[in-house]
Amino acid sequence: DGGITQSPKYLFRKEGQNVTLSCEQNLNHDAMYWYRQDPGQGLRLIYYSQIVNDFQKGDIAEGYSVSREKKESFPLTVTSAQKNPTAFYLCASAQGWSNQPQHFGDGTRLSIL
Amino acid sequence: QQQVKQSPQSLIVQKGGISIINCAYENTAFDYFPWYQQFPGKGPALLIAIRPDVSEKKEGRFTISFNKSAKQFSLHIMDSQPGDSATYFCAASGRGGTSYGKLTFGQGTILTVHP
Repeated sequence: DGGITQSPKYLFRKEGQNVTLSCEQNLNHDAMYWYRQDPGQGLRLIYYSQIVNDFQKGDIAEGYSVSREKKESFPLTVTSAQKNPTAFYLCASAQGWSNQPQHFGDGTRLSIL
Repeated sequence: QQQVKQSPQSLIVQKGGISIINCAYENTAFDYFPWYQQFPGKGPALLIAIRPDVSEKKEGRFTISFNKSAKQFSLHIMDSQPGDSATYFCAASGRGGTSYGKLTFGQGTILTVHP
């Protein structure tokens, strides 16, 4: 089945630690996105990528980093600089860039130990 | 100007009733307006979307109404069912400027349909 796979489903971070969230898609989509979801705040865009080896900052990129070395993969690293990382992280992909439907994975819930 | 304001924050409806969720935007460059449905522990799933060249779009029990002059759009769920209980998000994106290709989401509405 085509879709987006996020792993792990739950992740715990210690103080001062970097953690990486995985996002893989087999939809052959060009565009990929990372969102952060907090209660009552909707989804906020962290980073996005229109094409392999290219990515742009979203609205809340501070404390996060990404890479896009392969079309199907768009991992997100939550660095120790992100002081409030506890949230539900969602990865999405879309066929193209201009107003195409975005398809979401089932998220990773990150918590602080 | 990038905001999309969604209301109400929560909504309780009886089975068989009509659920109505409203969104308003300021950015006139927005020209794509999707609605997403999210169940607990899952990612959002696209429900229905509209472009501003039409005032209404219907898919089954779900209808989007769009008012371009008022910069508002709404989701109507007819004959609401307990299985419709979820969080609903409106969103918008545009073809130009800083909104190009990027979805701006509303804050979400938690819908509860009582049997």
